[in-house]
Amino acid sequence: NAGVTQTPKFRILKIGQSMTLQCAQDMNHNYMYWYRQDPGMGLKLIYYSVGAGITDKGEVPNGYNVSRSTTEDFPLRLELAAPSQTSVYFCASSRPGGEETQYFGPGTRLLVL
Amino acid sequence: EDQVTQSPEALRLQEGESSSLNCSYTVSGLRGLFWYRQDPGKGPEFLFTLYSAGEEKEKERLKATLTKKESFLHITAPKPEDSATYLCAVQANTGNQFYFGTGTSLTVIP
Repeated sequence: NAGVTQTPKFRILKIGQSMTLQCAQDMNHNYMYWYRQDPGMGLKLIYYSVGAGITDKGEVPNGYNVSRSTTEDFPLRLELAAPSQTSVYFCASSRPGGEETQYFGPGTRLLVL
Repeated sequence: EDQVTQSPEALRLQEGESSSLNCSYTVSGLRGLFWYRQDPGKGPEFLFTLYSAGEEKEKERLKATLTKKESFLHITAPKPEDSATYLCAVQANTGNQFYFGTGTSLTVIP
């Protein structure tokens, strides 16, 4: 199993541009999450999904959109990028049950200039 | 409001010098408390899940314990390869979200 994969690894965007961060998992997990991590800060939840077709906002959803058309994929869309969205983005997945451990991808480093 | 606080922010240990990391939490009904290890430039890697006060789990030189208000990650005789940032997270009974602390950066000096 590849686990959780994310693309791209690094991207530079200009202010106002848009992009999609890709996330895929091959563990048949129902739950998927998007976090951002800023220096000295904890992971902050942007959006999460409990299954295909179901998404919900986390702590910091403004400026982002998500969709979940399949169990495997959970892309994160940035519209009109702003410098405040410079961060490292992590995707995670988990299977609800007795041990709801989250498995994380390697991250996407985004720089908005 | 659900909240997680980790201390200290940074910790430097000599190889073999045991110590503990603290994670205090406020949550409206704990579903689970999670410890992760994060190496620079990588995603967090799962270590332990604890569900109820009094529970303990061990893995090599690491031991995690849980009380009603806090969790400790004990590191016994650490080695340089234990150097990393250790993250704590909680999940409440009332929702699907995880709340993370800011982490403890551990450096083990040979």
